[in-house]
Amino acid sequence: GIQVEQSPPDLILQEGANSTLRCNFSDSVNNLQWFHQNPWGQLINLFYIPSGTKQNGRLSATTVATERYSLLYISSSQTTDSGVYFCAVRYYQGAQKLVFGQGTRLTINP
Amino acid sequence: DVKVTQSSRYLVKRTGEKVFLECVQDMDHENMFWYRQDPGLGLRLIYFSYDVKMKEKGDIPEGYSVSREKKERFSLILESASTNQTSMYLCASSLGPRREKLFFGSGTQLSVL
Repeated sequence: GIQVEQSPPDLILQEGANSTLRCNFSDSVNNLQWFHQNPWGQLINLFYIPSGTKQNGRLSATTVATERYSLLYISSSQTTDSGVYFCAVRYYQGAQKLVFGQGTRLTINP
Repeated sequence: DVKVTQSSRYLVKRTGEKVFLECVQDMDHENMFWYRQDPGLGLRLIYFSYDVKMKEKGDIPEGYSVSREKKERFSLILESASTNQTSMYLCASSLGPRREKLFFGSGTQLSVL
């Protein structure tokens, strides 16, 4: 099956810093999503981005499907950005299920 | 906004009990999913359903069954709970083919003693 690798596994930053989280995948995908899991366990969908670039406030994401990676950018980090960020991919047409990476744990210190 | 509601936030059960976890979504989504999340193992798909009365096995279906009698409700059943089923259970839904943005409920932390 497809391999989904996220890096770095852990990231600790000061408030106000910028960060880049990476998601590599081992096969062609037609669905890629980024999620944020807050410290209370709730998973929030940040982006549905099988290709191209999207922006939502301080967050943006870019997927280069031909090179099999996606990047999540967080600018001017706030303590509320802390949590675990997951990417998830769907890797063949017709399958309804996503495969999740192991996540990047982001800690933003005040 | 889409709302996916799981019936319990915390649940404690005894080994051998039959356990029902309920999930309801309010946006007429076709697809519904059950995941479990364990430290070091990430999110793993248990079962999913893309229509009423339809179900498909995910990656770890053993020891679980599901029921989807109505479009908005997807139930996960532990026929005889065991301690290795202690986990965070997450329900999710998506609109359907080609509209697959996934929305999660807030999770149920199940402890089996």
